[in-house]
Amino acid sequence: GALVYQYPRRTICKSGTSMRMECQAVGFQATSVAWYRQSPQKTFELIALSTVNSAIKYEQNFTQEKFPISHPNLSFSSMTVLNAYLEDRGLYLCGARDRRATYEQYFGPGTRLTVL
Amino acid sequence: AQRVTQVQPTGSSQWGEEVTLDCSYETSEYFYRIFWYRQLFSGEMVFLIYQPSFDTQNQRSGRYSVVFQKSFKSISLVISASQPEDSGTYFCALSELKPRTGGYKVVFGSGTRLLVSP
Repeated sequence: GALVYQYPRRTICKSGTSMRMECQAVGFQATSVAWYRQSPQKTFELIALSTVNSAIKYEQNFTQEKFPISHPNLSFSSMTVLNAYLEDRGLYLCGARDRRATYEQYFGPGTRLTVL
Repeated sequence: AQRVTQVQPTGSSQWGEEVTLDCSYETSEYFYRIFWYRQLFSGEMVFLIYQPSFDTQNQRSGRYSVVFQKSFKSISLVISASQPEDSGTYFCALSELKPRTGGYKVVFGSGTRLLVSP
């Protein structure tokens, strides 16, 4: 079956420091990986969409300078939250799309970031 | 514009009852899918069911089914014989297919928190 792993599941960092989170697709090839953030208020925001062989597209209010993403192959993506502050806390979800399917997107369990 | 609206922030039911959760959306694309996910208390998202825009038949998967009213751009999730384990937050999500770029974007609603009592 198709699975998406995210690591770490939970992390705590000090304000002003950076942390990296990873997303691994297992059982399928992920042509696109989308990173989302769920705020403590439970709303989802799309941070960026990364498609293999294309430029990473960041949504408004999110920048590469703040959330650099690496998508080196069809099974792995990572995102770093640079210079994290309180407003960056939340659950970061990775959604990976199967190259064999037009719409299927599998979500990982998320990385919960707490900023002290 | 792409938007998903879930007007019910909370819902409740008793064990065995049928539950309906509502969702409306906005899209200018012809091809799209509507997904329903349940978020566990751990934060993990669990896929439940999806409805393709081009399929007029309401989809069904186990105890989950949808009522798709394309002309009204609304879709409801129906959970039959609800159980306490069904408690959680349910998210409706819209995935458009962009024909020119082949890309896609998923937009989520704000969620409906469901509590099923024993």
